[in-house]
Amino acid sequence: QKEVEQDPGPLSVPEGAIVSLNCTYSNSAFQYFMWYRQYSRKGPELLMYTYSSGNKEDGRFTAQVDKSSKYISLFIRDSQPSDSATYLCAMSLIQGAQKLVFGQGTRLTINP
Amino acid sequence: GAVVSQHPSWVICKSGTSVKIECRSLDFQATTMFWYRQFPKQSLMLMATSNEGSKATYEQGVEKDKFLINHASLTLSTLTVTSAHPEDSSFYICSAPGVGWFNQPQHFGDGTRLSIL
Repeated sequence: QKEVEQDPGPLSVPEGAIVSLNCTYSNSAFQYFMWYRQYSRKGPELLMYTYSSGNKEDGRFTAQVDKSSKYISLFIRDSQPSDSATYLCAMSLIQGAQKLVFGQGTRLTINP
Repeated sequence: GAVVSQHPSWVICKSGTSVKIECRSLDFQATTMFWYRQFPKQSLMLMATSNEGSKATYEQGVEKDKFLINHASLTLSTLTVTSAHPEDSSFYICSAPGVGWFNQPQHFGDGTRLSIL
């Protein structure tokens, strides 16, 4: 069993839809949770990061962490074609200079 | 925000040559940087942790003599793929944690696409 599980998709939704991306993990010691967006042939771009359980909102993006269920989510509201990318969840025991454990990444396409 | 720059973005070379990839933190100092490898449609695989002024720490299964890492300054880490072969063709990405009053998440470079003929 992988330490972090993420459905690779692909996921295709119409423009304007609400997108829900999820990851589950097995190591209860993870404290920091990140979502990265990666466009084709580019490095991952940090979208959201949270510490421990709770919600965090930034514009059209909302990140949720449920440590009791070992489950994290990223919601994208009013999705745009420019949101089409691969979304990677990542987590670590501590923040900063610490190894990240990544999910497999979900390929998302927003159709105009 | 923290910016990490990688160079070159794409390199094509013949089998048997060595290739050096640079990773720079542009507006901050990074005592630690990370090197990843990514195959098409797959996630990032950590290769090694680069530590300024000391030896790199390699992940299990990564050949130290094949992938030489040097972190000679607080803003520069280099990855040299020695005697590269077609199976070394991949997308190589580096990252560095940002700095601030609280521990910051890692920021990634734009990657280097390596093609060995």
